[in-house]
Order: sequence, then structure tokens, then C-alpha cells
Amino acid sequence: GAVVSQHPSWVICKSGTSVKIECRSLDFQATTMFWYRQFPKKSLMLMATSNEGSKATYEQGVEKDKFLINHASLTLSTLTVTSAHPEDSSFYICSAPDHQGPDTQYFGPGTRLTVL
Amino acid sequence: QKEVEQNSGPLSVPEGAIASLNCTYSDRGSQSFFWYRQYSGKSPELIMFIYSNGDKEDGRFTAQLNKASQYVSLLIRDSQPSDSATYLCAVSSSASKIIFGSGTRLSIRP
Repeated sequence: GAVVSQHPSWVICKSGTSVKIECRSLDFQATTMFWYRQFPKKSLMLMATSNEGSKATYEQGVEKDKFLINHASLTLSTLTVTSAHPEDSSFYICSAPDHQGPDTQYFGPGTRLTVL
Repeated sequence: QKEVEQNSGPLSVPEGAIASLNCTYSDRGSQSFFWYRQYSGKSPELIMFIYSNGDKEDGRFTAQLNKASQYVSLLIRDSQPSDSATYLCAVSSSASKIIFGSGTRLSIRP
């Protein structure tokens, strides 16, 4: 099956700093990628849709100036959490649609962000 | 009303028995339905997807879809301890956007 990687797998940062998370599709091209956030014992919440070559589409309630998304190539999307605060601590997961069908997605391994 | 609803569990099933997981959704226009398995601290793993009414079998897993009742289920036969995880029901209506339920924790007791 398709492989999606994320880097880093975990990160600890101080409050007020910015953190960049990378999502790569390793064996296929992805014009669209999705970014999710998951708090402990909660479900995945879609944050935004990353579109190659154009602006990301953000879900209601997600601050686009705080969560910067760049989809510079067909295999790479980045999420930057700017001026991170402890409430941004979460599990961030990206996904990309696969060839099995337009709605079938494969998920990256996730990035655990802890903001002190 | 939540768009995708699941019983949070935990659902405890003896090893070797059938585990039955249920999910309801609110959007009648939904077209694609998925079951993901998520182990603690890991990202979701796709188990099954189903598009048409009826049953779809893959190994020990069977997905069932009833669009009239807006109901999706997952049956796991011959449950194994390694099946213990959180199972996420997900639904897609359009544009590849997937909405997840809150998940059901399944525990298989030896």
C-alpha cells in the first residue's frame, strides 16, 4: 500500500516558538493532503486540506495564521505551528488519498507535539 | 447532532468470539464508508472500505452497510488479543473529506 511519512515523530518545544512538521508521500504523488489533530482519547479532527500549488483550505475554527500550511511539491506538505502554546500540544497526523479510490486515504505515523 | 456516532466502549469480547462494532451517520449524501484501527499512540490504519449496501468480507473482517438506516458495522471473527485497539468509523461525502467518529475501544480478553 501507499506510504506516507512524517517528520519529526515527536517534538518538545517552549511556549512561543514555532514548529514545522513535514508530511511526505513516498511512492506516489499527492496533489492533496490532509492535516488532522487528535487530542488524547478523542477522535481525529480535520484541520485543513493542503493543495499543491495553491492555498490550503481550513476547517471552521482553525486559525490559518497560526497553522501555516505549505504544499510546495507533489510529495511534500508542511504544517507550521506558529507561536505554539501548551494548548497546541496534540498528536498531528497527515494523510493523502491513494489510488484505490478518491476517498481512500493513508495516514502518516503522526507527530506528537508537546509545548512546555 | 454528531455527524458520525459510535459507542465509545470499552467493548470486551472473549478471544475467539465475534466482535461487533457499530456506527451511524447523519449525512444521507455520504458515499464512502471506512473502518480504521488505531493502536494507542499510533496513527489510524485502514481496515476496510465499503461503498455499496450489503456486506463486504476481507479475511476475518466483514463490513456491513445499510444506507437506508444510515448504519455501518464491522464484524471481527475469531477475535485475537492483537485486535484490541480503538476502531474508528469514518464517512466521506465529497472532495475526499473524511469525517471520523469518536471511536470504539475494543478489548479482547484471553
